Amino acid sequence: GAGVSQSPSNKVTEKGKDVELRCDPISGHTALYWYRQSLGQGLEFLIYFQGNSAPDKSGLPSDRFSAERTGGSVSTLTIQRTQQEDSAVYLCASSSLSGIAGGNEQFFGPGTRLTVL
Amino acid sequence: KQEVTQIPAALSVPEGENLVLNCSFTDSAIYNLQWFRQDPGKGLTSLLLIQSSQREQTSGRLNASLDKSSGRSTLYIAASQPGDSATYLCAVRYNDMRFGAGTRLTVKP
Repeated sequence: GAGVSQSPSNKVTEKGKDVELRCDPISGHTALYWYRQSLGQGLEFLIYFQGNSAPDKSGLPSDRFSAERTGGSVSTLTIQRTQQEDSAVYLCASSSLSGIAGGNEQFFGPGTRLTVL
Repeated sequence: KQEVTQIPAALSVPEGENLVLNCSFTDSAIYNLQWFRQDPGKGLTSLLLIQSSQREQTSGRLNASLDKSSGRSTLYIAASQPGDSATYLCAVRYNDMRFGAGTRLTVKP
């Protein structure tokens, strides 16, 4: 596709349920990033993939959060046993150059709005 | 600690004015700096990317400057239009990416 796509666009779930959020990066982009934007807060970095590996998982807020990327393309962010504080917009971005120091422009998807009741 | 600050938090101007948004960062060892706009309920749109070796980038009515030594970047918007109304985010690339809290711009017709 022409840009980064994310699905679903909106997700409402009950506390304690697991959710999966999907990101399709721009074709050919090797780097993929997940961020979270909570209401009234800034953007928070969660995890970064280079190819299928995640050299930096430092931003994941708890062990309920995990992410994987297969085939160097699609990534899934999974939140287990969701809590109300997990409610946020989850944004995915991709960039073309390998390595953190590549410094390439990040292109963002439209986000998934997660609401935990 | 790597912090990014944007001033002002909100700005309202009449249509046609030139304006400057400010971004400052505490750690000058950056890889790049990127300006985004975010419209309500939507994702981020990349506006300009400045590499650490560059001083400025221009795109249409937008000009972004970077002064790494002083830890500052500015986004200059010329001849503002109501369609420029959005939140503007500054993001600094370290090993991860640090975002400012944004400046909410309103351009009044």
